[in-house]
Amino acid sequence: QVQLQESGPGLVKPSETLSLTCTVSGYYITSGFYWGWIRQPPGKGLEWIGSIYHTGNTYYNPSLKSRVTISVDTSKNQFSLKVTSVTAADTAVYYCARDYSGYEHVPGYWGQGILVTVSS
Amino acid sequence: EIVLTQSPGIVSLSPGERATLSCRASQSVSSNYLAWYQQKPGQAPRLLIYGASTRATGIPGRFSGSGSGTDFTLTISRLEPEDFAVYYCQQYGGSPPLTFGGGTKVEIK
Repeated sequence: QVQLQESGPGLVKPSETLSLTCTVSGYYITSGFYWGWIRQPPGKGLEWIGSIYHTGNTYYNPSLKSRVTISVDTSKNQFSLKVTSVTAADTAVYYCARDYSGYEHVPGYWGQGILVTVSS
Repeated sequence: EIVLTQSPGIVSLSPGERATLSCRASQSVSSNYLAWYQQKPGQAPRLLIYGASTRATGIPGRFSGSGSGTDFTLTISRLEPEDFAVYYCQQYGGSPPLTFGGGTKVEIK
């Protein structure tokens, strides 16, 4: 059974870069599927940030594309998220997720989420 | 971009009652690529339905999805205490490839 776990700083200063890592167990990232990031501001709905295919192809939410990079570290079976020039509006619980088996862009396996607060 | 509008925003029901949640798309969703998720406080979302009407593994039969084109519905036939949560629809047939609706909260009456 695939498991995902987010890690990274819980507090980031405005204008700095938010960096998170998702560690995957129970499945090799290079074996297939899209791996993505989704966030949820406190008390609000879900927002897709972007996804990376096991081959390295990426898709990003157009509203965030200029500030977001998703990459894969196959040696550690991890994928990562970077968001530059953060503001308070980037405060959210960040989830990493993997496609449901055989269905692209349907997040079926989720990490528990990590709260990132942007504040000085 | 396909915009998904969910209604109502909040619905108050009693255990045992039927819940009917709506998700309307701003344009036709290709191949009925529409999914539903359940989210409880402090938890990650859980996939319930994909392909508009197919239940994910382990999802009870009281959850059903229907619809096509721009109008989709999630029905919970008889609400159990554990079903009170927020429900999101999500399309995966457009560009960008993944967008969520704003959610419907099912609360206890």
